[in-house]
Amino acid sequence: GESVGLHLPTLSVQEGDNSIINCAYSNSASDYFIWYKQESGKGPQFIIDIRSNMDKRQGQRVTVLLNKTVKHLSLQIAATQPGDSAVYFCAEKFSGGYNKLIFGAGTRLAVHP
Amino acid sequence: EAGVTQFPSHSVIEKGQTVTLRCDPISGHDNLYWYRRVMGKEIKFLLHFVKESKQDESGMPNNRFLAERTGGTYSTLKVQPAELEDSGVYFCASRPRTGTSGSIDEQFFGPGTRLTVL
Repeated sequence: GESVGLHLPTLSVQEGDNSIINCAYSNSASDYFIWYKQESGKGPQFIIDIRSNMDKRQGQRVTVLLNKTVKHLSLQIAATQPGDSAVYFCAEKFSGGYNKLIFGAGTRLAVHP
Repeated sequence: EAGVTQFPSHSVIEKGQTVTLRCDPISGHDNLYWYRRVMGKEIKFLLHFVKESKQDESGMPNNRFLAERTGGTYSTLKVQPAELEDSGVYFCASRPRTGTSGSIDEQFFGPGTRLTVL
């Protein structure tokens, strides 16, 4: 499968700790944001999304925060587990942009026992 | 429900050859997207189909790339002739028609085709 992210920034955490992955997006007109998780050899898997009329959304063990003032998005993972180890991508959709997604560079999350 | 499938999973070809990648979207999804990730870089949009029509092909790198979606079901992406810089992973994603159930913006990705051009 694909070697995901040879030169990506890496976040190393201990199992059980909380993880925070940050992303800066580019377009103030973007109205939808999404986090994907990509494991080696697999395609991106949906984690959580948020619309621009919200600043926080929670899922199971994950929370996405959106700060439109500084065009910043973050993904918080509670009680990180070894299975969370992967590359995480944020993506944005421009308002009226036919839903094409603009991806960030990705962050590798490494969870240590 | 079957997810998005792509074929082949890997392809190794020589510069100048032709390769055709196939994507089968989730059944009933009108929207189909192609993306690619060149090694170490971000995933980049190539084009978007709505049924059999090309809605947006602004990300296609050049005229060596041809995408089709005859009949509005599966799609193919042909690279002819392939160049070294075409190496990477090609992802396909699909999304339901706007207004159907679920998050209307979420795109469901396939596992990708890893293309290596030697």
